Amino acid sequence: GESVGLHLPTLSVQEGDNSIINCAYSNSASDYFIWYKQESGKGPQFIIDIRSNMDKRQGQRVTVLLNKTVKHLSLQIAATQPGDSAVYFCAESSSGRLYFGRGTQLTVWP
Amino acid sequence: KAGVTQTPRYLIKTRGQQVTLSCSPISGHRSVSWYQQTPGQGLQFLFEYFSETQRNKGNFPGRFSGRQFSNSRSEMNVSTLELGDSALYLCASSLRDQRLETQYFGPGTRLLVL
Repeated sequence: GESVGLHLPTLSVQEGDNSIINCAYSNSASDYFIWYKQESGKGPQFIIDIRSNMDKRQGQRVTVLLNKTVKHLSLQIAATQPGDSAVYFCAESSSGRLYFGRGTQLTVWP
Repeated sequence: KAGVTQTPRYLIKTRGQQVTLSCSPISGHRSVSWYQQTPGQGLQFLFEYFSETQRNKGNFPGRFSGRQFSNSRSEMNVSTLELGDSALYLCASSLRDQRLETQYFGPGTRLLVL
């Protein structure tokens, strides 16, 4: 199967700092990538997506970068807030379905 | 527009029993996917339904089954429950194709098997 992994299982940042969450994928044929946020007791919530014909996409306070050369995906959160504390998952579309990474726990300290 | 809804939210069963979980997708969405989430294995794909047909299937035993109705609502069934089936079961819907479009998740059904 495909492998979608994260470089760090946990990330702690100070409120107001920028956060960067990384994700590696193994299938160079994957053409669609999504970041999800999951808060405790809730289902994953869509944050932002990017297609393989793009290198960068920006949303509100979030930016996703895609480096197809090294098969790497990152999520940047600007001015991180306590409400951003959650588990973040990346997912890639391959072989007819989405494959999810294991997740990174982001903790924001006041 | 209402989000994806799942019922029940919590369920306790004993080994050997069977369980049926229900999912109502976002209005207009025709693709429904099911996932199992556990601390050890993360989010694992169970199956996807589109237009009442199973379009894709993950690597789960035949005890796990599902179906989709003409109104796109979906159910999944787990028979002969095992302790290891304790998990959060998530349903997600998309317009037509979860490979190409955003999937929106429901809150999940937390199943505990005793």
